[in-house]
Amino acid sequence: NAGVTQTPKFRILKIGQSMTLQCAQDMNHNYMYWYRQDPGMGLKLIYYSVGAGITDKGEVPNGYNVSRSTTEDFPLRLELAAPSQTSVYFCASRGTGSSYNEQFFGPGTRLTVL
Amino acid sequence: QQQVKQSPQSLIVQKGGISIINCAYENTAFDYFPWYQQFPGKGPALLIAIRPDVSEKKEGRFTISFNKSAKQFSLHIMDSQPGDSATYFCAARGASRGSGNTGKLIFGQGTTLQVKP
Repeated sequence: NAGVTQTPKFRILKIGQSMTLQCAQDMNHNYMYWYRQDPGMGLKLIYYSVGAGITDKGEVPNGYNVSRSTTEDFPLRLELAAPSQTSVYFCASRGTGSSYNEQFFGPGTRLTVL
Repeated sequence: QQQVKQSPQSLIVQKGGISIINCAYENTAFDYFPWYQQFPGKGPALLIAIRPDVSEKKEGRFTISFNKSAKQFSLHIMDSQPGDSATYFCAARGASRGSGNTGKLIFGQGTTLQVKP
């Protein structure tokens, strides 16, 4: 199993550009999450999904959108990128089996908006 | 509004020493308290976790101490090693409501640990 994969690893955007951060998991997990990590701030939840077709906002959803058309994929869309969106983005997933508490994280995408 | 406060922000410990990281929470409806370990350039990974009905949990050199009345919990790393140098995050999860638990975690600010040889 590859676990949780994210692409791209790095990206530089200009202000006003748009992009999609890709996230995929091969563990058949129902729950998926997007976080952003800023220095000294911990991880903040952007959006989450409890299954295909179901998404909801987290703590910091403004400027982002998500979709969940399949169990495996959970892309994060940035529209009209702003410098405040410069961050490291992590996708995570969680199952519903015996280890249902654990969230498995991807390697992250480092995004810079100039 | 930050609901989980973590301290210290950074910590330097000599090899073989004890590393202690503290967290405090405000919401009494949390039902699960994990600690995540993150190495540079990597995603966080679950290290150890505890439920509020237990006062202590130990896994190898790592121990969580939990004080429900004080709404505090801490991570102790015994015999700290240079390989333990990483950023550590505490977190808390809201209790189940209605049809299930969404698993949303509230993270602390993180502690960067450096273990000197």
